[in-house]
Amino acid sequence: NAGVTQTPKFQVLKTGQSMTLQCAQDMNHEYMSWYRQDPGMGLRLIHYSVGAGITDQGEVPNGYNVSRSTTEDFPLRLLSAAPSQTSVYFCASSYVQGQINSPLHFGNGTRLTVT
Amino acid sequence: GDSVTQMEGPVTLSEEAFLTINCTYTATGYPSLFWYVQYPGEGLQLLLKATKADDKGSNKGFEATYRKETTSFHLEKGSVQVSDSAVYFCALVRGSTLGRLYFGRGTQLTVWP
Repeated sequence: NAGVTQTPKFQVLKTGQSMTLQCAQDMNHEYMSWYRQDPGMGLRLIHYSVGAGITDQGEVPNGYNVSRSTTEDFPLRLLSAAPSQTSVYFCASSYVQGQINSPLHFGNGTRLTVT
Repeated sequence: GDSVTQMEGPVTLSEEAFLTINCTYTATGYPSLFWYVQYPGEGLQLLLKATKADDKGSNKGFEATYRKETTSFHLEKGSVQVSDSAVYFCALVRGSTLGRLYFGRGTQLTVWP
């Protein structure tokens, strides 16, 4: 029972490079989301998806793109990395958006450093 | 807008001490409230929740009561253990939109034997 799997665990990028953070879940969850965690800031929502083919912006979407071609996968793309994107990124999923009794399941995070 | 304010950390306690982590919120309407816990090197896990005023959420010896009159959801545990050392996040969602789950800044708890 893998749950939510994020890869890679660690990544170092140079300013201007691009990369994709992978997120996959095997629980048939409709809802998937990306958060970034910064010291003293808590977690902030970047993008989310309520199902395949549907995505929407969260609090801090600038500099990030997402797509949801399958129920299982929700990759996060950084098109041109900036030092301000240095953070820990978490993917989270749940059965249905808005179901209070359907808690978010989090991956173990990707620690990204942009130099 | 909606927001959550948690007490500043870090909090350091001896084993078997009483724990309180304060959380207050700002939201219109009737939000649902949550406490999440993050153990070192892991993602967040739901600890407990309350969906309406005066509800008490509880799990693993932790409790929190939804107080609408004081807009608070303080986390308490009567006797902490070393294994409770983690970062605790208070969060709210207004209405039914999990996509707008607002987190507090987190409170680091360290318990010494």
